[in-house]
Amino acid sequence: EIVLAQSPATLSVSPGQRATLSCRASQSVSRDLAWYQQKPGQGPRLLIYGASTRATGIPARISGSGSGTEFTLTISSLQSEDFAVYYCQQYNNWPLITFGQGTRLEI
Amino acid sequence: QLQLQESGSGLLKPSQTLSLTCAVSDGSISVGGYCWSWIRQPPGKGLEWIGCIYHSGTTYYDPSLQSRVTISIDKSKNQFSLQLTSVTAADTAMYYCARTNFYNAKYYFDYWGQGTLVTVSS
Repeated sequence: EIVLAQSPATLSVSPGQRATLSCRASQSVSRDLAWYQQKPGQGPRLLIYGASTRATGIPARISGSGSGTEFTLTISSLQSEDFAVYYCQQYNNWPLITFGQGTRLEI
Repeated sequence: QLQLQESGSGLLKPSQTLSLTCAVSDGSISVGGYCWSWIRQPPGKGLEWIGCIYHSGTTYYDPSLQSRVTISIDKSKNQFSLQLTSVTAADTAMYYCARTNFYNAKYYFDYWGQGTLVTVSS
């Protein structure tokens, strides 16, 4: 099983600042990585797939990068609606899909 | 825009069978290129993929749950279902249904339901 380690567990940032979230895989997943945002009481929302491709309707201030075992989600100029929990997911080893444990982004 | 809505039994006793249904609207479950998934999230924990079903009826399951899981599809009702047998407290979780992209072997989840809470308690 490919384990995804997200860091930090909690990130405290002020509105208008930049947030950088990390996802590290226990073995290479190439660029087969997605990022999701989850707000309380809601299902997750797809943000990024293929490590860096934004999903439909996702603003340009949200970006993904990385390949192999190291990945980053960057949210520039944080807005109030960005404060949520973020998960990474690898799909390189179908059907052994795995998720990270999440990073909580808080004010 | 595609919508998914979970429904089913919310409170179970140990050893019972969990049964959930996901109704899909504003889109067809019979379209190729997508697998229809169930994913769960225990309280305070991360996400765990359970399995999915293709419109042909082909299923894929997480190996750790495979012996207890059945996912089925009803194309006439545009819905798919989850059964999990012999539940224990460890199966207490929010259960989500989601659409899995299957194009180009890129298996990410592009639409999700709101989730339904299932509690297993004696």
